[in-house]
Amino acid sequence: RKEVEQDPGPFNVPEGATVAFNCTYSNSASQSFFWYRQDCRKEPKLLMSVYSSGNEDGRFTAQLNRASQYISLLIRDSKLSDSATYLCVVNQGGSYIPTFGRGTSLIVHP
Amino acid sequence: SQTIHQWPATLVQPVGSPLSLECTVEGTSNPNLYWYRQAAGRGLQLLFYSVGIGQISSEVPQNLSASRPQDRQFILSSKKLLLSDSGFYLCAWSTGQISNQPQHFGDGTRLSIL
Repeated sequence: RKEVEQDPGPFNVPEGATVAFNCTYSNSASQSFFWYRQDCRKEPKLLMSVYSSGNEDGRFTAQLNRASQYISLLIRDSKLSDSATYLCVVNQGGSYIPTFGRGTSLIVHP
Repeated sequence: SQTIHQWPATLVQPVGSPLSLECTVEGTSNPNLYWYRQAAGRGLQLLFYSVGIGQISSEVPQNLSASRPQDRQFILSSKKLLLSDSGFYLCAWSTGQISNQPQHFGDGTRLSIL
């Protein structure tokens, strides 16, 4: 089983739709979690950290479910500019080496 | 604020030629530094990381090497490039001395081997 798994997609949604991605992790000792966004042929950029209590940043909501070992990213009112690959990142406690998922591709169309 | 610079942005090299990619970080001290490679349509592969000057850990066997001659400088090198070395090379940093911190990436170098 891979350490961090994501559905590669693509998720093809119309503008204004709500879309959610999940990411599962296998290491129960994982302590920190992040979502990154990567545009085509660009570097990954930190989108948001994922806190135990869940957190929201505008149209984006991230949640952590430790019992089932997954994190989620919800995007409301999708924009064309949200089209990108979303990478899930998990860090084991005390580690400097995060584990990246392969990413989920999102395509928002008019 | 912290910034990371990586150059060159693109590079075309013949097989067998040497390589030197440079990355520098500003606005922080003793960062953790990383080199990744991303093949087309693939995930990120960690090549090297460093938690301090002169401290380099290699994650995969290959013909690449890394060096950290100064606190905020990280260099990726090769004596002889292979066709399989083509890819998108990314340098990243995270806050030193503290684990579980997010990484921040440079703009990347797109390397093509002919």
